[in-house]
Amino acid sequence: QVQLQESGPGLVEPSQTLSLTCTVSGGSISSGSYYWSWIRQPAGKGLEWIGRIHTSGTTNFNPSLKSRVTISVDTSKNQFSLKLSSVTAADTAVYYCAGDRYGDNTVDDYWGQGTLVTVSS
Amino acid sequence: QSVLTQPPSASGTPGQRVTISCSGSSSNIGSNYVYWYQQLPGTAPKLLMYRNNQRPSGVPDRFSGSKSGTSASLAISGLRSEDEADYYCAAWDDSLRGWVFGGGTKLTVL
Repeated sequence: QVQLQESGPGLVEPSQTLSLTCTVSGGSISSGSYYWSWIRQPAGKGLEWIGRIHTSGTTNFNPSLKSRVTISVDTSKNQFSLKLSSVTAADTAVYYCAGDRYGDNTVDDYWGQGTLVTVSS
Repeated sequence: QSVLTQPPSASGTPGQRVTISCSGSSSNIGSNYVYWYQQLPGTAPKLLMYRNNQRPSGVPDRFSGSKSGTSASLAISGLRSEDEADYYCAAWDDSLRGWVFGGGTKLTVL
C-alpha cells in the first residue's frame, strides 16, 4: 500500500520560499503512470489545486500560482517536492501531497495527512 | 470564488437520500469527467467517485454520481451518521489547464 508523508517547516516568513517534501513509501515514485500533486486548504476553506508532475516529468500548475511554483521529483529519495516563492499570509494553509493514476476500470489515489504551514514574521 | 459551484450545506436524517450538486462550465464539467471527494473532520480528502459515476474499491454503493451537460451531482442513499463530512467536486479545466474544485458542501446528518 502506497503511503505519502509531507515534511517541511511549519513556519515561513513573508517574502521567503516555502519548501515541502512528500516522501512516498510502499512503491516506487517512478513506476507506473502516476501524477504527483500538491493541494492546499486554508483553515475553514475549500481545496485549491497547486500543481502536479507526471512520472514522465510533465508538469501542470494552477495559473494563479504558476509564476511562484516549482514541483520536482527526486527518484533517488522516492520524494517529490514543492517550492512556493514570495509567500504572503494568504499562503497560510494545510498543504497536502497526493498521487493518483487511472486505469480502464481502476484507480489508485493516495493522499498524505497534510501539514500546516503558517506564513508569519 | 471557486470555479465549480456547490451549495455550502446540505442535510438529511438517517436513512434518507440526499443529493449534492456541482455546477461548472463547458471548459470543465462540460468536457471532462467529474470527481468527488469526501473529507471527514480533521482528515485528508478521500476519493469518493471518479469519471462521473465510478466508485473506487471500498466505497459503498450507497454513493452514486451523475453528470449532465455542465452540471453533476452526488447522491447518498440510506444516509448514515458517518457520512457527515465535507464533499468536494472537481474537474479538469481545459481553459485553465488545471484541476478546479467546488467550494465544498458540508453535509449534516440530523
